[in-house]
Amino acid sequence: KNEVEQSPQNLTAQEGEFITINCSYSVGISALHWLQQHPGGGIVSLFMLSSGKKKHGRLIATINIQEKHSSLHITASHPRDSAVYICAVQGDKLIFGTGTRLQVFP
Amino acid sequence: DGGITQSPKYLFRKEGQNVTLSCEQNLNHDAMYWYRQDPGQGLRLIYYSQIVNDFQKGDIAEGYSVSREKKESFPLTVTSAQKNPTAFYLCASRPRTGANTGELFFGEGSRLTVL
Repeated sequence: KNEVEQSPQNLTAQEGEFITINCSYSVGISALHWLQQHPGGGIVSLFMLSSGKKKHGRLIATINIQEKHSSLHITASHPRDSAVYICAVQGDKLIFGTGTRLQVFP
Repeated sequence: DGGITQSPKYLFRKEGQNVTLSCEQNLNHDAMYWYRQDPGQGLRLIYYSQIVNDFQKGDIAEGYSVSREKKESFPLTVTSAQKNPTAFYLCASRPRTGANTGELFFGEGSRLTVL
């Protein structure tokens, strides 16, 4: 079993829909990262959080340390949100999930 | 603007050749990392460096080598000993070392294809 599990693996949405991507982990962590990988391959850090909730524009990230679970929400999704979203947990080392591929259609 | 620059973006290599991928950052970050990405897998750590003139092996270091002669530069050499080098390589940096090392910054990646 992977130490970091993301779901779903693939997600298709219509423009305007509310999106949720989940990340569960099995190790002790000091922080969790949400990353966005563009079709060209470059990766951008969206959030780093260790408790509670963070919001940036239409993106919201939450984490429940007791349940070892985090969610990334996208409100009013747009085709430009189409990307791979990667969860990574910081324990003794950084462990990456395999990503969730999101496609948003107009 | 501050950031990480990787080059080349695309690289083709014949079997038996060594190639070097460049990674330069102007963020004044202490920690730098090289990751390999394969389809269907999470990023895997090849090498990392927390300070100039020092670096450590990651999970899949065999067939790779690095150097850290300057704070801003962390080149990766893919040697002929690497059995399956075709992959997408990502360089990253973070402000500090140790726990709570801060936000990750990534380059645009280098795609290596061995012919």
